[in-house]
Amino acid sequence: GDSVTQMEGPVTLSEEAFLTINCTYTATGYPSLFWYVQYPGEGLQLLLKATKADDKGSNKGFEATYRKETTSFHLEKGSVQVSDSAVYFCALSDRGGGADGLTFGKGTHLIIQP
Amino acid sequence: NAGVTQTPKFQVLKTGQSMTLQCAQDMNHEYMSWYRQDPGMGLRLIHYSVGAGITDQGEVPNGYNVSRSTTEDFPLRLLSAAPSQTSVYFCASSLSSGDNQPQHFGDGTRLSIL
Repeated sequence: GDSVTQMEGPVTLSEEAFLTINCTYTATGYPSLFWYVQYPGEGLQLLLKATKADDKGSNKGFEATYRKETTSFHLEKGSVQVSDSAVYFCALSDRGGGADGLTFGKGTHLIIQP
Repeated sequence: NAGVTQTPKFQVLKTGQSMTLQCAQDMNHEYMSWYRQDPGMGLRLIHYSVGAGITDQGEVPNGYNVSRSTTEDFPLRLLSAAPSQTSVYFCASSLSSGDNQPQHFGDGTRLSIL
């Protein structure tokens, strides 16, 4: 079946540091890929998405590129802020492969220190 | 903009009790779903619906019932609560069931079963 693997953390960085959160996936079809962010006490919000190979999703300074050859969708940001502290989830949607709903990674807790 | 609204936000139940978690969306979305979030497990799909009158099981459906009598509402019923159902429950909706459709999440219901 489909699966998503991501580093769980917590990942602790200083403000203005470079961020990479790795995400790799396994899917039977041709999935769409997403990054969601969850701030404390809130639901998940879509951060960015990519629907086909080599697409780059971007939002709020975050970027991720859909790499079919390495089945990866790593999240990057050049300079993190304290307000970026949250839990980040990588997810895929592969209804064309027979799955339903989103398949999530376990989440990466990011802590940014001033 | 209300988006996806979940009620209640918190609930404590005793083992064996039943209850209904409410979910409503005002975006005229066809697709709605329920997830549970457990520590170290990410989010797992419980049930989903591709439109009024149509529901189906996700990854972890046992112990839960759903119905979709209107486009707006998608309640989740716990028939006989068990401690293993202690979790945070999220309702989500999207415009359609297509792979590239991002899902919009409610703020969650935190449920404790004693």
